[in-house]
This record gives sequence, structure tokens and C-alpha cells, in this order.
Amino acid sequence: GAVVSQHPSWVICKSGTSVKIECRSLDFQATTMFWYRQFPKQSLMLMATSNEGSKATYEQGVEKDKFLINHASLTLSTLTVTSAHPEDSSFYICSATTSGGFDNEQFFGPGTRLTVL
Amino acid sequence: GIQVEQSPPDLILQEGANSTLRCNFSDSVNNLQWFHQNPWGQLINLFYIPSGTKQNGRLSATTVATERYSLLYISSSQTTDSGVYFCAVRGTGGFKTIFGAGTRLFVKA
Repeated sequence: GAVVSQHPSWVICKSGTSVKIECRSLDFQATTMFWYRQFPKQSLMLMATSNEGSKATYEQGVEKDKFLINHASLTLSTLTVTSAHPEDSSFYICSATTSGGFDNEQFFGPGTRLTVL
Repeated sequence: GIQVEQSPPDLILQEGANSTLRCNFSDSVNNLQWFHQNPWGQLINLFYIPSGTKQNGRLSATTVATERYSLLYISSSQTTDSGVYFCAVRGTGGFKTIFGAGTRLFVKA
């Protein structure tokens, strides 16, 4: 099946620093990737939709200057949390679809646990 | 926007028992998936099922799109089935996948 990887699996950083999370589709080309955020014991919240070669579409309430998304190739999207603060601590998960359409199955990465001290 | 409700919110089963999880959605969908989130946070695809019935081992799912619900059946539950089960849908004409709140399942040995 389609495999999505994320790196790093977990990261601890100091307040004010920036953290980059990578999301890769390993065995397929992902025209569209999605970034989610999950708080403990809650559901997934979509942060942004990322299309290869174009600007990401952010959900309402998500600061695009804080959460920078770059989808530079058909197999890689990155999320950079800039000037991280403790309230940015969360579980970040990416997903990808196997084609450019929105009606296709999504496959999820294993997630990145971010802790900001 | 489309609303997704899952029930029950929590479920405790004895190993070997069967269960049914339900997902109701408020509008027409062209995409529905069931996921299992394991204790490490990984979302595992169970079914891509915008309509119809599918089976995979001890798991099966049915989506009745006209009545706006989907069911996930777990038979002969095992302790490894523990975790959170999510239903996620995309409405027709929509571009965003909406997740339900999940059903938290614990299977006792």
C-alpha cells in the first residue's frame, strides 16, 4: 500500500526557535498533501492543504506566517513552525492522496510530536 | 459545513466480543474512510468506503450513503484492536476532509 513517512518522530525545542517537519510519500507521487494537528484525546484538525508547486491553502484560524508549508516536489512537503511557543506543542500529522483529485484515499504519516519548552 | 458524529464515544469489550461503531454525517459525501489510530498515534487505513460494503478479515464496513451513515463491524475483538477509530468524510463539492470525534475502544484480555 501507499506509504507516507514523517521526520522527525518527535522533537523538543526551546521557545523562540523554528522547527521543520518533513513529510514524504515513499512509493507514490502525491500531488496533494495535508497537514493536521491533534491535541491529546481530541480528533484531527486540518491545518492546511498543500499542492505541489503552488501556495498552500490554510484553514481559518491557522496563521500562515507561523506555520510555513512548502510542497517542493511530488514526494515532499515540509511544515516549519516558526518562533515556536509552548502553545504550539502538539502532534502534527501529514497525509497524502495518490492522485491530484480530492476524492481519493488518504494515507497518513506516523506523526511528529512537538514539545516546546 | 458537513457534520460528522461517531458513536459510542467510548467502548470497553472483553476479548472475543463483537462490536459495531457508527458514523453519521449530515450531508452527501463522495469520500468516506475509517481509520484506526494506534497507541503510538499512527493512523492505519481500514476502509475507503463512500458506499457499499467491504470486508477485511475480522473487520467489515457498510456505508449507506442515501441514509448518511456508515458502520464499522469488529468481530472476535483482540487486545490489539484497542485504540481510537475515526470516521472521516469529504462532502460533495467540498475540498476538506472532516474527521469525527472518534470512538475510543479498549479490549480487555
